[in-house]
Amino acid sequence: GAGVSQSPRYKVAKRGQDVALRCDPISGHVSLFWYQQALGQGPEFLTYFQNEAQLDKSGLPSDRFFAERPEGSVSTLKIQRTQQEDSAVYLCASSSRTQANYGYTFGSGTRLTVV
Amino acid sequence: AQSVTQPDIHITVSEGASLELRCNYSYGATPYLFWYVQSPGQGLQLLLKYFSGDTLVQGIKGFEAEFKRSQSSFNLRKPSVHWSDAAEYFCAVGNGGATNKLIFGTGTLLAVQP
Repeated sequence: GAGVSQSPRYKVAKRGQDVALRCDPISGHVSLFWYQQALGQGPEFLTYFQNEAQLDKSGLPSDRFFAERPEGSVSTLKIQRTQQEDSAVYLCASSSRTQANYGYTFGSGTRLTVV
Repeated sequence: AQSVTQPDIHITVSEGASLELRCNYSYGATPYLFWYVQSPGQGLQLLLKYFSGDTLVQGIKGFEAEFKRSQSSFNLRKPSVHWSDAAEYFCAVGNGGATNKLIFGTGTLLAVQP
């Protein structure tokens, strides 16, 4: 597609529920990132894939967070046993370069609300 | 550790007035610096970036930014603001390493008065 697509746009989850957030990067983009943006804050890095390899997951806040990109294209961010502090906008970004300092293209995000 | 500070949480300017948004960074080597803009309910759009070379960089929508190593700053400017510029602006620094992750500031919310 022309841009990075994320689904769903909005997700309301009851505390303790598992959720899965999907990211469709721009076709052919090798680098894929997930960021978490809490209300009133800047985005914070969660994890980075180069093709199907997860090269950095240092930003994942707990072992309840898991990301995958099995075929090097679509990625899923899974959050198990959601808690209220997980409420945030989850942004996906992709880049055609492995040296992503040229800048990424961001999706519109998934707004997760845990009640 | 890398960090980015945007000291102004909220700025209001009149349409047609000039704009400067401040950004200070902390990074040991030559930084990779970015400005992104985020409209409500939207993702982040890249305005401009600095890697090396000319310290004054031009971006989209008439924005420019100047890298000043001595002040560890990368301020965003626009000579004449339009109502459509109302949005949140984020400065970010990239580590240039294998991860290529960006460290973002907390953002500056720009309001434009008619």
